[in-house]
Amino acid sequence: QSVLTQPPSVSGAPGQTVTISCTGHDSNLGAGFAAHWYQQLPGTAPRLLIYGNRNRPSGVPDRFIGSKSGASASLTIIGLQAGDEGDYYCQAFDNSLTGSRIFGGGTKLTV
Amino acid sequence: QVQLRESGPGLVRPSETLSLKCTVSGGAMSSDYWAWLRQPPGKAPEWIGFIYYNGITNFNPSLGSRVAMSVDTSKNHFSLQLTSVTAADTALYFCARSTTGTYFDPWGPGTPVTVSS
Repeated sequence: QSVLTQPPSVSGAPGQTVTISCTGHDSNLGAGFAAHWYQQLPGTAPRLLIYGNRNRPSGVPDRFIGSKSGASASLTIIGLQAGDEGDYYCQAFDNSLTGSRIFGGGTKLTV
Repeated sequence: QVQLRESGPGLVRPSETLSLKCTVSGGAMSSDYWAWLRQPPGKAPEWIGFIYYNGITNFNPSLGSRVAMSVDTSKNHFSLQLTSVTAADTALYFCARSTTGTYFDPWGPGTPVTVSS
């Protein structure tokens, strides 16, 4: 069981907006450590979408918005496209396990 | 831009050592962290560990003393060794760069490893 909890699945129609939550604990997000988000399309490697809670690497569209409040983080996708369908993972540092970088269990987005 | 590619045997026998190499292209390996991660079928990725460009390592404590890593910046590659493998080590193995030691970007395409006799 992951210490970062994500809903197993979310869905939305093309053009709609969806939000994926990531709930952590006092040893990770609640301790102030940043949330990072990855997109994994079918048959591909994970791709960094958001780092440091809300920053987008170059090349990531501004339809992807990250936020964090307390021990929870969220990824909002505006204007859903068919090509967004895949798995989304949050990730953070956890100081209860001597420097572990931990991932959420993942959320499957269906468009 | 930096690109990474994993290589190594796709099949390892139980109790033996898994050895993988990651070749880095498009940039030098200095001043960054170089990571190994894995993803069992149908599950989330798991961080295995880092090696810094100067050879300092940091491993996931859940893997205990089974993990070793090495780096050769002159040849632009780094390596993973995982000893005493079991079926639970069957996964898609990825290498990745981390500029800060906190998040991973970019990732290699991954290489599948099956542990079976």
